[in-house]
Amino acid sequence: EAGVVQSPRYKIIEKKQPVAFWCNPISGHNTLYWYRQNLGQGPELLIRYENEEAVDDSQLPKDRFSAERLKGVDSTLKIQPAELGDSAVYLCASSYASENNEQFFGPGTRLTVL
Amino acid sequence: AQSVTQLDSQVPVFEEAPVELRCNYSSSVSVYLFWYVQYPNQGLQLLLKYLSGSTLVESINGFEAEFNKSQTSFHLRKPSVHISDTAEYFCAVSGPQGGKLIFGQGTELSVKP
Repeated sequence: EAGVVQSPRYKIIEKKQPVAFWCNPISGHNTLYWYRQNLGQGPELLIRYENEEAVDDSQLPKDRFSAERLKGVDSTLKIQPAELGDSAVYLCASSYASENNEQFFGPGTRLTVL
Repeated sequence: AQSVTQLDSQVPVFEEAPVELRCNYSSSVSVYLFWYVQYPNQGLQLLLKYLSGSTLVESINGFEAEFNKSQTSFHLRKPSVHISDTAEYFCAVSGPQGGKLIFGQGTELSVKP
């Protein structure tokens, strides 16, 4: 069974530029999560989807971050414009359902904003 | 609100020695508890979980953790570590309805020969 796929693995941009991250969850998983992991810290949830619906986006900085999950499968997370403080690893995870909460994580996208 | 505290940021240990990585949580409701491991440049992998039932849970590679409700702890232990156990370990908690995981800051386990 293929795991959670993310691309790109690494991205370096200058501040004020836009950037997008893509995630393909494990087949059949209806719940998808985007987390941000700052250096030396644990991941923090940005947004959670149940199928196409964003059910928890309370931690998403909506002035510059946006996300979508078309057709309830793949998802894209966008930052526009990026700031220096956005440098982090962006992790995507998926699960069958949120009840037992066994989440499977992708390898992440390491973003560096110069 | 829930929170997780991992009491040690770094744990150096010699190969074949026992190790304990400490995790305390705070929650006003019942919780699910998890330990994830992160190897360099890789995503997080689930090591073990406590949902209900027996308070002692085990992983396939020799780790175990015990849920202690009275002390609100979920410490991770291994009786004899290997070089390959070198990684970052994260304790996490979620509510009984699932949803987001709340992670601790991580413990870097460094196994030396």
